[in-house]
Amino acid sequence: DGGITQSPKYLFRKEGQNVTLSCEQNLNHDAMYWYRQDPGQGLRLIYYSQIVNDFQKGDIAEGYSVSREKKESFPLTVTSAQKNPTAFYLCASSYHYTEAFFGQGTRLTVV
Amino acid sequence: SQQGEEDPQALSIQEGENATMNCSYKTSINNLQWYRQNSGRGLVHLILIRSNEREKHSGRLRVTLDTSKKSSSLLITASRAADTASYFCAISPMEYGNKLVFGAGTILRVKS
Repeated sequence: DGGITQSPKYLFRKEGQNVTLSCEQNLNHDAMYWYRQDPGQGLRLIYYSQIVNDFQKGDIAEGYSVSREKKESFPLTVTSAQKNPTAFYLCASSYHYTEAFFGQGTRLTVV
Repeated sequence: SQQGEEDPQALSIQEGENATMNCSYKTSINNLQWYRQNSGRGLVHLILIRSNEREKHSGRLRVTLDTSKKSSSLLITASRAADTASYFCAISPMEYGNKLVFGAGTILRVKS
């Protein structure tokens, strides 16, 4: 089945820890995106990538890092520098200038 | 901000009525898209309208785009309880390639 897969669905992080969220797609899409959603809010763009080995900061990149070593994969690391990481994280992918397909999200909680 | 801004923030209607949501933005765009999100889930794409288009239809959905006013509207006709969800517009700003920026969304509740 073609699609975009995020894992894990739920993630718990201790204060000061780095954690990595996985996003994999088999849709052959060039562009991939990471968004953060807080309760009752819209989506805020963290990072996006238009092509392998290239990515750009979105509106709230501080405290996050990404890599795009393979077309299929765009992992997001939430670093200890992100002071309020508890949120719902959504990954998406698309061809250039077309509809985006979303994963089911990862809910990150700081404990 | 490049972000789209929707209004109203929340809308409550009876089943069978039409629902209209609006989106305004501030930059030149390649396209504008509308998405739907059921609570706690990923987003589902509804419709994409390019900057040189004025209106598109898909089933019970009708989207208009006015680039001179930098605004778009989404009309859902003959609403159903299953349409209850959050609806977001997203813009692809012309100067940023594939960047896709979302607004804060409209929460639609359809009462049966």
